Amino acid sequence: NAGVTQTPKFQVLKTGQSMTLQCAQDMNHNSMYWYRQDPGMGLRLIYYSASEGTTDKGEVPNGYNVSRLNKREFSLRLESAAPSQTSVYFCASSENWNTEAFFGQGTRLTVV
Amino acid sequence: RKEVEQDPGPFNVPEGATVAFNCTYSNSASQSFFWYRQDCRKEPKLLMSVYSSGNEDGRFTAQLNRASQYISLLIRDSKLSDSATYLCVVVLYYGGSQGNLIFGKGTKLSVKP
Repeated sequence: NAGVTQTPKFQVLKTGQSMTLQCAQDMNHNSMYWYRQDPGMGLRLIYYSASEGTTDKGEVPNGYNVSRLNKREFSLRLESAAPSQTSVYFCASSENWNTEAFFGQGTRLTVV
Repeated sequence: RKEVEQDPGPFNVPEGATVAFNCTYSNSASQSFFWYRQDCRKEPKLLMSVYSSGNEDGRFTAQLNRASQYISLLIRDSKLSDSATYLCVVVLYYGGSQGNLIFGKGTKLSVKP
């Protein structure tokens, strides 16, 4: 039982490049989330998916897109990376909107 | 005003000390509450849920005061391994079956020998 798995763990991009962060959970959870964490800013919600087939913007959605591919998978895409998107990205899932969330190990992204 | 506010610390305490963290939240419609722990360069992990009646798990006690909109975490007999950042988490309800976990910025605890 792996929980929440994120790939890749590390990535360096050049400004303007695109990439997709992958996330999968094996706990049959309905809700999934993407957060970014920056020093002094805490965890900020980028997008979330309350259930399969739905996605909604969080606090900081600009520059990102998401896809809830199925119940297990929720991907985050950066279409044109910018240095301001240098951060640690965490995917999380929860059984429902009001239950505790379980996190992946994070992706450390640097945009140069 | 931020949705969830915590004292950033750091709290530097000796082993065996009792330390308390407080957290305030701004939205009275908040539904659920948690404390998470995050070690350096690791993902956040659930420490404990917070119930209206208060709850205890070993050396850890969490309390919720809905009237004053604050949550507390008490750690007794601190261990070196308790050194981490503690995140206060509030679930906001948006309607239907939608809500979100809102994280405080965290309070850093350093337990010294």
